[in-house]
Amino acid sequence: EDQVTQSPEALRLQEGESSSLNCSYTVSGLRGLFWYRQDPGKGPEFLFTLYSAGEEKEKERLKATLTKKESFLHITAPKPEDSATYLCAVQRGGGATNKLIFGTGTLLAVQP
Amino acid sequence: DTEVTQTPKHLVMGMTNKKSLKCEQHMGHRAMYWYKQKAKKPPELMFVYSYEKLSINESVPSRFSPECPNSSLLNLHLHALQPEDSALYLCASSQDRSATNEKLFFGSGTQLSVL
Repeated sequence: EDQVTQSPEALRLQEGESSSLNCSYTVSGLRGLFWYRQDPGKGPEFLFTLYSAGEEKEKERLKATLTKKESFLHITAPKPEDSATYLCAVQRGGGATNKLIFGTGTLLAVQP
Repeated sequence: DTEVTQTPKHLVMGMTNKKSLKCEQHMGHRAMYWYKQKAKKPPELMFVYSYEKLSINESVPSRFSPECPNSSLLNLHLHALQPEDSALYLCASSQDRSATNEKLFFGSGTQLSVL
C-alpha cells in the first residue's frame, strides 16, 4: 500500500536555526514527489517537484532533496515568515491519474 | 493570472440545507479537483474532472454532487450534509491530469461548518 510519512509532526525553531524536515514514502513506481507549504485556513502552495534519486531543488531558504526512500526539506536560517505546515505528496506512476498521496505534514514554527 | 478562486470563504449550513461551493480558474487548465481537509489532516481527494468530464470519484457519498459547467468553473453541490462533513473544501487545477510534472494550484478553500 502506498504510504507517505512525515516527521517530525511539529518543529519549533529560533530564527536563524537551520533544520530539516523528513518525508519517507513507499509507492509503486514514483512519478514525482511534491512539497507544498500551507498557511492556516489557506490552500497548499506549490514549492518543488522532484523526480529521481539524487535530484535537488532550491528556492530562497529552502532546499529539497530526494533519495529512493525519502525526501528532505532543508531550511537554512529560517525567518518567522517561514512558519507554516509543510506537506509532502507523492504521485504514483503507471496510470493516467494525477492523484497525489499526501503526508500528514510538519507544522513549523519559527520564533524571532 | 495564476489564481484559483473559491467562494464563499466560509459557510455555515444546517443538515437540511442545500448549498453550493464555487471554484474558478482562468489559467487554461483542463483538470480540476475537489479535496476535503479536516483540521490537522492532509487533503483527501474527492473528485477529478478532466476536460469537463468526471474522471475520478473517490467513493464520495451522494450528498456531495460535483458539476463542471465549463473548463473554468467547478461547483460542488451540497445537500443533507452531516456534522462530520465540516471541513475545509479545497479546489485545485492542473494543466492536464495525465501529464508528468503536473503540479496542482490550490484555491484558499471554503471552510464549511454543518450544524
